[in-house]
Amino acid sequence: AQKITQTQPGMFVQEKEAVTLDCTYDTSDPSYGLFWYKQPSSGEMIFLIYQGSYDQQNATEGRYSLNFQKARKSANLVISASQLGDSAMYFCAMREEGNTPLVFGKGTRLSVIA
Amino acid sequence: DTGVSQDPRHKITKRGQNVTFRCDPISEHNRLYWYRQTLGQGPEFLTYFQNEAQLEKSRLLSDRFSAERPKGSFSTLEIQRTEQGDSAMYLCASSPRTVLYNEQFFGPGTRLTVL
Repeated sequence: AQKITQTQPGMFVQEKEAVTLDCTYDTSDPSYGLFWYKQPSSGEMIFLIYQGSYDQQNATEGRYSLNFQKARKSANLVISASQLGDSAMYFCAMREEGNTPLVFGKGTRLSVIA
Repeated sequence: DTGVSQDPRHKITKRGQNVTFRCDPISEHNRLYWYRQTLGQGPEFLTYFQNEAQLEKSRLLSDRFSAERPKGSFSTLEIQRTEQGDSAMYLCASSPRTVLYNEQFFGPGTRLTVL
C-alpha cells in the first residue's frame, strides 16, 4: 500500500530565505513518481515539480527543487528565495506505475513572513 | 481558458437532498479523476475514468455516490441523500496519458456544505 507522510503541519520562513518541506513515502513498487502540489487559499491545486524513482538527478523547476533520497524514501521540497506569494498549503503525492490515482500526504502550511 | 473547470464552485444543501457536480477536463485529456478533500487533509481519491469507462472506484465512494462520463468528455458526480459528513471540497483532475510522469491538472473544486 502506498503512504505519504508529511510531518510538518506548519512552517514559517522569512521572505527571501530558503525553506525545506519534508516528505517521506512508503511503497513496495520499484517504479513510482513523486509530485508536489501547491494549494493557495483559493483552493486550486497547482503542480510544482515531479521526480521519478529511476531519475538519476534531483528535479528542479525554477525556485523549486526536490531533494530525493531514494534509500531513505524521502522527497523533500526546497523552495529558494521565498516570496510572500509562496504562502499556501503544500502537498506531497505519489503514484505507482500502473496505479494512476495520486496518494496525497496531509500537507504542510507554509507562511512567508515579510 | 483551457484548464479544468468545475461547476458549481460552491453548493449549500440540506441533509437528505441530492446534489450533482460537473467537471469539464482539458479537451485532449482522456483520463479524468475525482478526489475529495476535507478540512486539514490532503485530497483522497474517489474514482477515475479513461474516456467513458469508469476504471476504478475507491471504497470511499459509497452507494450514494455515482459518477458518469458520457461520451468521454465532461463528467458528473452525484451524491444522493446527502449527509453532513459529505461536506468537503470535491476536486476534479485530468491527465493526457497513463505514463507515470504525467501530472494531473486540477480544477478549482466544488465546495459542498451540507446543513
